[in-house]
Amino acid sequence: AQSVTQPDIHITVSEGASLELRCNYSYGATPYLFWYVQSPGQGLQLLLKYFSGDTLVQGIKGFEAEFKRSQSSFNLRKPSVHWSDAAEYFCAVGRLSGTYKYIFGTGTRLKVLA
Amino acid sequence: GAVVSQHPSWVICKSGTSVKIECRSLDFQATTMFWYRQFPKQSLMLMATSNEGSKATYEQGVEKDKFLINHASLTLSTLTVTSAHPEDSSFYICSASDQRGNTEAFFGQGTRLTVV
Repeated sequence: AQSVTQPDIHITVSEGASLELRCNYSYGATPYLFWYVQSPGQGLQLLLKYFSGDTLVQGIKGFEAEFKRSQSSFNLRKPSVHWSDAAEYFCAVGRLSGTYKYIFGTGTRLKVLA
Repeated sequence: GAVVSQHPSWVICKSGTSVKIECRSLDFQATTMFWYRQFPKQSLMLMATSNEGSKATYEQGVEKDKFLINHASLTLSTLTVTSAHPEDSSFYICSASDQRGNTEAFFGQGTRLTVV
C-alpha cells in the first residue's frame, strides 16, 4: 500500500540554522512528490514538487528538496531558517493509479527560536 | 498556478442541521475534485474523489450519506455535511485537477466547520 512517512513530528531550530525535514514514501513506481506548508488555520501552500528529471528541485522561500530513489526519500532542506518559516510541513505523494489522489504524511511542526 | 476557491472559509452551525461547502476552480476545468478532512494537529485524510458528472468515490470508512458530494460542473464541487454533529467539526479542504499532462492538483484554502 502507498504510504508517506515523516519521522519527525516536531522540530525546533534556531533562526539562521539549517533545516532538513525528512520524508520517506512507499510506492511501486516513481510517484509525484510534493512539499506543502500550512500556517495555523490556513490552507496548503505548495513549496515545491518533483515529477521527473533533475532530482534536486528548488522551491519557493529558499527551500529545496532532493529525490533519492534508492532511499525512497524526498527530504526538504533550507540553508538558513527564518522565524516566519515556523509552520506545519507536509510531504505528499501524488499521481497514484493515474489520478491526482494525494497521500499526505503526518506532518512536521517546525518551531523557530529567535 | 491555477486557483481553487473554497467557500465559506469558516462556518458555525447547530447540531442536526446541514451545511454546504463549495469548491470552485476559477481558471481551469476541474475534471476531478478531491475532498480532504483534517483534524486538529493531524494530517489530511482523503474523504472522496469526484469526477464531473459521476458519483463520488468514497474512501473506506467515510459515510457517503453523511458527506454528500456533488460535482455537477467542471468548475464546481460541493460537499454537504448532513445532520451535522459536534464530531463533524473539522477543517475540510478540497483540491482540483484537470487530469491532463504533467499537471497537479491545486488546493483550496480550506473551510473550518464548527458544529455546536
